[in-house]
Amino acid sequence: GAVVSQHPSWVICKSGTSVKIECRSLDFQATTMFWYRQFPKQSLMLMATSNEGSKATYEQGVEKDKFLINHASLTLSTLTVTSAHPEDSSFYICSATDIYGYTFGSGTRLTVV
Amino acid sequence: AQSVAQPEDQVNVAEGNPLTVKCTYSVSGNPYLFWYVQYPNRGLQFLLKYITGDNLVKGSYGFEAEFNKSQTSFHLKKPSALVSDSALYFCAVRDISDYKLSFGAGTTVTVRA
Repeated sequence: GAVVSQHPSWVICKSGTSVKIECRSLDFQATTMFWYRQFPKQSLMLMATSNEGSKATYEQGVEKDKFLINHASLTLSTLTVTSAHPEDSSFYICSATDIYGYTFGSGTRLTVV
Repeated sequence: AQSVAQPEDQVNVAEGNPLTVKCTYSVSGNPYLFWYVQYPNRGLQFLLKYITGDNLVKGSYGFEAEFNKSQTSFHLKKPSALVSDSALYFCAVRDISDYKLSFGAGTTVTVRA
């Protein structure tokens, strides 16, 4: 079946630094990728939608300058949390979609200290 | 606008007993409906989906769900629950005209031995 690889699984960074999270579709070309944020025991909050070769579409309230999304190819999307602060600590999940459905990455636990 | 409601935050059942996780939805057109399961610090695993066809959908790990258009429901069921089914379950919907998934708040299932 379809597999989406998300790295890193967890990361700890200092306040003010930037962190990049990668999301790769391993055995299919993803027409669209989504980035979600999840707080403990809560639902997934869609942050942005990205299509290969075009700018990401951000949901209302999501700072596009803080959460930079690049979708350079049909198999790779990256989320960069810039100038991270403790309130950015969260679980981030990517999802890739093709004509068959949606496949989710295993998530990245970001802790900003 | 599309939305999903999972009315129960928690469902507790004994191992071997039937398990039901409720989901109702709202979309403007025909729905695409999904169930996912999430284990701690992991991404979402696909269980099953309804696109069209038979109202009873069979999925992974012995789960099934019934699409009920008149009640706008898509309840997840398993005839005999296992302790290993203990996890967080999400129902999701999308409208045929939009790639974005809308998730319910999630239901924590606890199966006691």
